[in-house]
Amino acid sequence: DAGVTQSPTHLIKTRGQQVTLRCSPKSGHDTVSWYQQALGQGPQFIFQYYEEEERQRGNFPDRFSGHQFPNYSSELNVNALLLGDSALYLCASSFLPGGGSDTQYFGPGTRLTVL
Amino acid sequence: AQSVTQPDIHITVSEGASLELRCNYSYGATPYLFWYVQSPGQGLQLLLKYFSGDTLVQGIKGFEAEFKRSQSSFNLRKPSVHWSDAAEYFCAVDGGGADGLTFGKGTHLIIQP
Repeated sequence: DAGVTQSPTHLIKTRGQQVTLRCSPKSGHDTVSWYQQALGQGPQFIFQYYEEEERQRGNFPDRFSGHQFPNYSSELNVNALLLGDSALYLCASSFLPGGGSDTQYFGPGTRLTVL
Repeated sequence: AQSVTQPDIHITVSEGASLELRCNYSYGATPYLFWYVQSPGQGLQLLLKYFSGDTLVQGIKGFEAEFKRSQSSFNLRKPSVHWSDAAEYFCAVDGGGADGLTFGKGTHLIIQP
């Protein structure tokens, strides 16, 4: 049973560029959440997707957007990259019957470096 | 808003010694509580979780945690640490709904031989 997978593993971009990160949830999970983890910090919640809709988002600008596909996989897009966007981006999946809360399982992350 | 405090940024423990990592949370009701571990450059692995019921929960790798409502704490313990336990440990709270997990800043665990 595959766990949460993310691609790519590493990415280097320059300021002003756009980036797309991808996530496939754990088998049986229907909800995907994205987190940003800056160096030396705990992960911060970006947003969560359920039934192809963004349910809630944390304190991140509109440059951060996402999408969830019918197969529950998800993409995170970041436009107009800033140096401060350099971080480990983590995807987590869960199963939310009735839209409640459940345990989130994390992928290995995508390390984004903005030069 | 919910918040998590991990007061110890670094902790050094000798191999074979006992371990306790502290976590305090702020939330209006009883939240869902989690401990995750992260090795360098890796994602987060779930150690254990508390949703309800018995306040002492057992996890993987010999870890346990105790929920104390009166102290708003969820401390992680292990009776005897191994060198492979060296990692970053994160406490997290989920208030329910779709607000995601709120994490503490983490505690870096160093194991001395």
